[in-house]
Amino acid sequence: QQQVKQSPQSLIVQKGGISIINCAYENTAFDYFPWYQQFPGKGPALLIAIRPDVSEKKEGRFTISFNKSAKQFSLHIMDSQPGDSATYFCAASKTIDGNNRKLIWGLGTSLAVNP
Amino acid sequence: ETGVTQTPRHLVMGMTNKKSLKCEQHLGHNAMYWYKQSAKKPLELMFVYNFKEQTENNSVPSRFSPECPNSSHLFLHLHTLQPEDSALYLCASSQGPRAGGSYEQYFGPGTRLTVT
Repeated sequence: QQQVKQSPQSLIVQKGGISIINCAYENTAFDYFPWYQQFPGKGPALLIAIRPDVSEKKEGRFTISFNKSAKQFSLHIMDSQPGDSATYFCAASKTIDGNNRKLIWGLGTSLAVNP
Repeated sequence: ETGVTQTPRHLVMGMTNKKSLKCEQHLGHNAMYWYKQSAKKPLELMFVYNFKEQTENNSVPSRFSPECPNSSHLFLHLHTLQPEDSALYLCASSQGPRAGGSYEQYFGPGTRLTVT
């Protein structure tokens, strides 16, 4: 069972448009929600992250919107650029014992930004 | 560069071969991870080491054998693999919760493994 559901699987956006990727989770024990960006031939890299005590976090053109009651969070990329073309993963993290945490990943969204 | 290096970047091996993947982190972290990334599947966490101790093994077949000689190095020893083991194997490191550090994981570029 997929603990973190991500959609869409793929997305095509025109340059300058807004890219929106959505994720949903079930387990209320999750307390940290990062988004990772992965370019071909590279490992995932942390893009932006949010904790459930805030509803929005913005860093440059990237914004996370978080809805705790709906158990949903989304990534918005404003003024999308061809260089943003990559695979984006949402994830959710929780403590599994006093010393360890677990990161659960979404399936990923392949974003293509057309010039 | 993320500070996490992996070698080799590409590996083709037969099902009867024995090979090892190497990961090294230069970030002073104390937790290291092996992930398997296959197409159309979520990232699969394989093993976790905290302060050189294995703290997680997610039902990984015994043909995969991890080794963590110190907090900076992590190996994945491979033997008698199956074609379905072909994937991108990613290493990551983090400060680790025991050290009160961040939850962020830093990934290496991965090793693309093909089992023939």
